[in-house]
Amino acid sequence: GAGVSQSPSNKVTEKGKDVELRCDPISGHTALYWYRQSLGQGLEFLIYFQGNSAPDKSGLPSDRFSAERTGGSVSTLTIQRTQQEDSAVYLCASSQTSSGYNEQFFGPGTRLTVL
Amino acid sequence: KQEVTQIPAALSVPEGENLVLNCSFTDSAIYNLQWFRQDPGKGLTSLLLIQSSQREQTSGRLNASLDKSSGRSTLYIAASQPGDSATYLCAVRTDSWGKLQFGAGTQVVVTP
Repeated sequence: GAGVSQSPSNKVTEKGKDVELRCDPISGHTALYWYRQSLGQGLEFLIYFQGNSAPDKSGLPSDRFSAERTGGSVSTLTIQRTQQEDSAVYLCASSQTSSGYNEQFFGPGTRLTVL
Repeated sequence: KQEVTQIPAALSVPEGENLVLNCSFTDSAIYNLQWFRQDPGKGLTSLLLIQSSQREQTSGRLNASLDKSSGRSTLYIAASQPGDSATYLCAVRTDSWGKLQFGAGTQVVVTP
């Protein structure tokens, strides 16, 4: 089947607005991860879902960031009151399970620009 | 705290030459190590995954080795082609939930 998909591919917003980024994992993959890639910080982990639960939210940079996952499938990352430092590419990945033997497969990313 | 380093940051080779990309990590307690390729403006493509118990993994022209005790992995790409031009990232998995810690990447240019 299809790989990981993300939408939108590009998002330009004004400072202070809220944005929602969507991730559709590979069908049947129970583990889902959000990462952020920015020029200064490289690729950094944000949050992990197993099913609909998020046992690891340690990478979320502030309480303006939140994420949810429904039906063990689609996930939404929400950034409230966006700031210019939120500008980055947001990548989603999924794996069959969270066991140590599973590869993570990445989506194409959403490029967020905050003006 | 785990640190992942990739040296060099950039590499340019003529077509046909073999590529050798290095990745080092500071904490040997890893579950696995994954190599990715990233083309400009695109997401990450998984190339190889090496489990902590493995020494190497091969796929076509790609071969990755892992020396956990010394904290090193090497990705070899044989007979490079211009289509191999991309940024190559390594990432280590250090917890049971699967969080990956990435290196900064090596940008490769293969000239015709």
